Amino acid sequence: GAVVSQHPSRVICKSGTSVKIECRSLDFQATTMFWYRQFPKKSLMLMATSNEGSKATYEQGVEKDKFLINHASLTLSTLTVTSAHPEDSSFYICSAGVAGGVYEQYFGPGTRLTVT
Amino acid sequence: GQNIDQPTEMTATEGAIVQINCTYQTSGFNGLFWYQQHAGEAPTFLSYNVLDGLEEKGRFSSFLSRSKGYSYLLLKELQMKDSASYLCAVTDSNYQLIWGAGTKLIIKP
Repeated sequence: GAVVSQHPSRVICKSGTSVKIECRSLDFQATTMFWYRQFPKKSLMLMATSNEGSKATYEQGVEKDKFLINHASLTLSTLTVTSAHPEDSSFYICSAGVAGGVYEQYFGPGTRLTVT
Repeated sequence: GQNIDQPTEMTATEGAIVQINCTYQTSGFNGLFWYQQHAGEAPTFLSYNVLDGLEEKGRFSSFLSRSKGYSYLLLKELQMKDSASYLCAVTDSNYQLIWGAGTKLIIKP
């Protein structure tokens, strides 16, 4: 089956620093990748949709200058949390969609970000 | 607005059957998904329904009624490892996934 990896799985950083999270589709080409954020006991919140080679589409209320998304290739998308603050602490999950398919997203294992 | 409702928490006994309901109100409909999510992990795909009726896959079955905006996930022969959150998600007319808040299922021996 389609496998999506994320790195790192856990990261602790100091307030004011930036953190980059990588999302890779290992055995398929993902034309579209999605970035989600999940708070404890809350549903997944879509942050942005990223298409290879173009700018990401951000959901309302998500600061694009704070959450930088790059989708430079068909197998890699990155999310950079800039100038992180404690309120950015969360579980970040990426998923990848197969070209032409809208019926299933393959999820990465998630990245737990803690900002101290 | 778009809305998906599912119970917050349910408790069931090992070996029993449990049904988790999901109702939705979305702008358009292009399919409904059920995902399982263990604590601290990303969701994993369980089922996809786009036509009315019951889809059976091993111990798990999923039902859809589009006219009622209703789905349920049926889990049989419950095992302790089934303790998890179960997320209902609907693809709307723009092919965006709208997520429910999830149902935390607690399995007791």
